[in-house]
Amino acid sequence: AQSVTQLGSHVSVSEGALVLLRCNYSSSVPPYLFWYVQYPNQGLQLLLKYTSAATLVKGINGFEAEFKKSETSFHLTKPSAHMSDAAEYFCAVSGSSSASKIIFGSGTRLSIRP
Amino acid sequence: EAGVVQSPRYKIIEKKQPVAFWCNPISGHNTLYWYLQNLGQGPELLIRYENEEAVDDSQLPKDRFSAERLKGVDSTLKIQPAELGDSAVYLCASSPRGGQTYTGELFFGEGSRLTVL
Repeated sequence: AQSVTQLGSHVSVSEGALVLLRCNYSSSVPPYLFWYVQYPNQGLQLLLKYTSAATLVKGINGFEAEFKKSETSFHLTKPSAHMSDAAEYFCAVSGSSSASKIIFGSGTRLSIRP
Repeated sequence: EAGVVQSPRYKIIEKKQPVAFWCNPISGHNTLYWYLQNLGQGPELLIRYENEEAVDDSQLPKDRFSAERLKGVDSTLKIQPAELGDSAVYLCASSPRGGQTYTGELFFGEGSRLTVL
């Protein structure tokens, strides 16, 4: 069985500050891990994914995430927040086979203060 | 390349009425998903299709929900009759899943927001 826990339903940072969104996962098989972003009234868009290659993954819009097996974590970071980063962010986990289910976390809403 | 197309974007109905949502996936994507997204929550899988076959419908409330993907391309999700608790966003996604091409990445449409009064 797999699950995802996103710590903090709402995170607020100042423009230019570090963004850190936390994600912990549980998986009985080697996981694939994803971060998706959802802007208001839109569908989800992939930010980045980990599929068992490099543990530090770089995505779009300056975001990156590091897979830490010992901590079962896949936290999302960005060095300097921009107003356009305000959105809902979802962490997701699946197995590595095509039969795997993809499980989403409950999301973290990121707000940016001017 | 066109993305996943869903319609309608918004639908308001009274309880006990039927409603249907349509989805056209990205060309060549053999796997299609319908997700339910309640306010402030992550997407929850309702049904997954591999071509025409529903390979995972374990979370689909079959007493009132039905789905079809007759020719393995576009799909329709129906609710009959709708209840107040069905108010949510219904997301469709597709992926080029299967065999060597599995990456786990989903491509989402913009969703259909349902309000049941």
